[in-house]
Amino acid sequence: DTAVSQTPKYLVTQMGNDKSIKCEQNLGHDTMYWYKQDSKKFLKIMFSYNNKELIINETVPNRFSPKSPDKAHLNLHINSLELGDSAVYFCASSQGAQETQYFGPGTRLLVL
Amino acid sequence: KQEVTQIPAALSVPEGENLVLNCSFTDSAIYNLQWFRQDPGKGLTSLLLIQSSQREQTSGRLNASLDKSSGRSTLYIAASQPGDSATYLCAVKRSGGYNKLIFGAGTRLAVHP
Repeated sequence: DTAVSQTPKYLVTQMGNDKSIKCEQNLGHDTMYWYKQDSKKFLKIMFSYNNKELIINETVPNRFSPKSPDKAHLNLHINSLELGDSAVYFCASSQGAQETQYFGPGTRLLVL
Repeated sequence: KQEVTQIPAALSVPEGENLVLNCSFTDSAIYNLQWFRQDPGKGLTSLLLIQSSQREQTSGRLNASLDKSSGRSTLYIAASQPGDSATYLCAVKRSGGYNKLIFGAGTRLAVHP
């Protein structure tokens, strides 16, 4: 069973479009995260939710809007996509804010 | 501001060698340090987590050490195998606050037969 899953795995789209990436975890964790890995392979946190409440919001353009319908899901919606948004986006989860984070397989976004 | 640096950026070794990957961080006020493995096209797998009060952790052929005062950690891989080929990432979590991991850029390891 996949612990943290993301859909889609690949996403190719045009500039200006709006897209969503979905994340689900079946580990029963209460905290979920979104990370961005750029072309230089640096992983940087974007958002974190604890029990559906936003607790970390890094300096991310407001075109990015996370939504957590329940503790097991954290979706990422991106408006007006730009070339610089091309990256791999990883979802992760943990039980509590102090424990090991478990990562999903990543969503490879390419904006043309 | 916490910065994490990993050296070397890439490493190619013959099978069977013992090797050391290095990680350094600028702010010693960390809660824990974690080593991850990333395979091409896949997510991250947690290998070892060292709490700030610990000096080392071991799992199979892997041993990670932590010297918080000097801002350094090493990942030792014994008797390397081709299956160890991957990118190894070091991440630190600062003391206090939420579970925000700061990652290094990784060391890309290739173990050839």
